[in-house]
Amino acid sequence: DTAVSQTPKYLVTQMGNDKSIKCEQNLGHDTMYWYKQDSKKFLKIMFSYNNKELIINETVPNRFSPKSPDKAHLNLHINSLELGDSAVYFCASSFRQGPSIGYTFGSGTRLTVV
Amino acid sequence: GENVEQHPSTLSVQEGDSAVIKCTYSDSASNYFPWYKQELGKGPQLIIDIRSNVGEKKDQRIAVTLNKTAKHFSLHITETQPEDSAVYFCAASGAFTGGFKTIFGAGTRLFVKA
Repeated sequence: DTAVSQTPKYLVTQMGNDKSIKCEQNLGHDTMYWYKQDSKKFLKIMFSYNNKELIINETVPNRFSPKSPDKAHLNLHINSLELGDSAVYFCASSFRQGPSIGYTFGSGTRLTVV
Repeated sequence: GENVEQHPSTLSVQEGDSAVIKCTYSDSASNYFPWYKQELGKGPQLIIDIRSNVGEKKDQRIAVTLNKTAKHFSLHITETQPEDSAVYFCAASGAFTGGFKTIFGAGTRLFVKA
């Protein structure tokens, strides 16, 4: 299946831990994104990568570090997890950066910090 | 800065009725307006989009309109069905401060009662 796939789907962890979320797309897209969706369903851009290069970093704390080993993968590593990090994190991709481009989203990773 | 306001936050309609969701954007650099549908436990899925040089677009039971002067755009769903129940997001995309971005509205939870 062609898609954007994220793992894990659910992640429950204690405050202070370090965790990673993986994302892979097999659509041949050049641009990948991480979005955070809070409990009120609000979607906020975190990062955008184009062909492995960071192009958008929306004032996300340094504890969040994206890594793109190749243009098909964009992983998100989070250090020293806090309660406020609890949310659903969505990976997305698009054919290219720029206007008039729709996104393909993954199914999300629900992170719960206790 | 860039902002997209979406109304209503919740919408309940009877099966067969029409549903309308309205959005307003702030940045005149916006030139692409996608709409996404998010079903429970899934990622948002692009359902229709409209570019700034078009005033209206229709795809079967869904249509979008754009008023660039007023910076308004709307989603219209006719003959609603229970499977239309989901959260709908409008978005505005363009070359904003910091690069090409897509800014999402806060979402509308649509309930279609059988």
